[in-house]
Order: sequence, then C-alpha cells, then structure tokens
Amino acid sequence: DAGVIQSPRHEVTEMGQEVTLRCKPISGHDYLFWYRQTMMRGLELLIYFNNNVPIDDSGMPEDRFSAKMPNASFSTLKIQPSEPRDSAVYFCASRQTGSSYNEQFFGPGTRLTVL
Amino acid sequence: AQSVTQLGSHVSVSEGALVLLRCNYSSSVPPYLFWYVQYPNQGLQLLLKYTTGATLVKGINGFEAEFKKSETSFHLTKPSAHMSDAAEYFCAVSAYNDYKLSFGAGTTVTVRA
Repeated sequence: DAGVIQSPRHEVTEMGQEVTLRCKPISGHDYLFWYRQTMMRGLELLIYFNNNVPIDDSGMPEDRFSAKMPNASFSTLKIQPSEPRDSAVYFCASRQTGSSYNEQFFGPGTRLTVL
Repeated sequence: AQSVTQLGSHVSVSEGALVLLRCNYSSSVPPYLFWYVQYPNQGLQLLLKYTTGATLVKGINGFEAEFKKSETSFHLTKPSAHMSDAAEYFCAVSAYNDYKLSFGAGTTVTVRA
C-alpha cells in the first residue's frame, strides 16, 4: 500500500489567497484526521471524519478553515482567506475500524507558508 | 479528557548510551498509549503502543516502553542509542472508547558521536 498521500508537499502563498490541501487515505480506512503542527502549539487535531462524515470539528480554528470528504478516498482542507499565522505543517492521518486500537497512519504532511 | 506531558523538550545522548524519554498521562478512563517518531521533513511513524495486557511493550528499532498505572507513566527507552535515532518523539494518549489522539509537545533527541 502507498500509505497516506498528501499534496502538495510544500505550499507558499500570499496572505488573502485561498489554499487547498489534499489527502488520500489508505484504501479501506474509514477514519480520516487532519492535524496542524506548529512550534507554539505542537500537534493539534483539527477535524476528523468517519465514513466521509465530519464527526468532530471542534479543533478547527475559525470559519476561514473548512474540510470536506466527498468520497472514501479523498479529503480537502481549505483555508480562505489565508493569513501568516496559518503557516504550519498540516498532516492527514487515517485508521481502520477494527484495527489496532486507534492506531493512526500519518501522511508526510504539507508545509504551508503564508507570506 | 486525556492529556500528555513529556518531560524535557530536548535530550542529548552519546552514541551507545541509554535513551530515556519521559511521558506522563492523564486519563479518566483506561488509556491507550502510543509513541510516535518524526524524522526531519517526514510524517509521524508509530514506534509502539500499549492497549491492554503486558505492561512492557516492545516496538520497532529496539525501543520499548513500560506502562505504569500507579505512576501514570509510559516512558520510552532504548538501551543503546544509534545516530539514526536522532528525531522528534511524541507520546500520545487516547481513551479506549474514543478515536482522538492527544499528543504531547514532543522531545527532540540528538545523538552525539
């Protein structure tokens, strides 16, 4: 299996622009998680989906952030408009119901820089 | 709610020396505990996990951790450090009935030749 795939790996954009991050979970996994990693706040869970349905979005920082999962093999995290404080590494992770006790498999991350 | 405290943001060890990374957790229900490793510019990789049963858990790359309920700890050890162990290590906790992971702040390990 190719593992969790994220694109792009690096994104540099200017303040005010829309940014879309993409994730393809491992085939057969029914949970998908979006995390943000910063020096100040560490790893934070933003939102997670089960069977393509958002279950908990309490970690989404504000309305500028939105996430969708239109099908079992694709999810997006969108920031509109982007701000410099959104600069971070964004990770996607997936897991499978019935697998080893909440073990999550992480993608390589997208490093976002907002100028 | 679950939370994790990792003691020490940076640890420096000599090659061949013991690696000890400390993790204390807080959980109102039986926890599942994890150690993840992150190499530069990469995602997180699972080192080992504790769910139930044996309290001494062995993972990949020679690492192991011991779950001590009385001390609410899950410290990570490796008897002999290798240069390739230089990375950031994260302890994480989840409730047995929840799917969310709560991560510690991370500990960066450097290995001196």
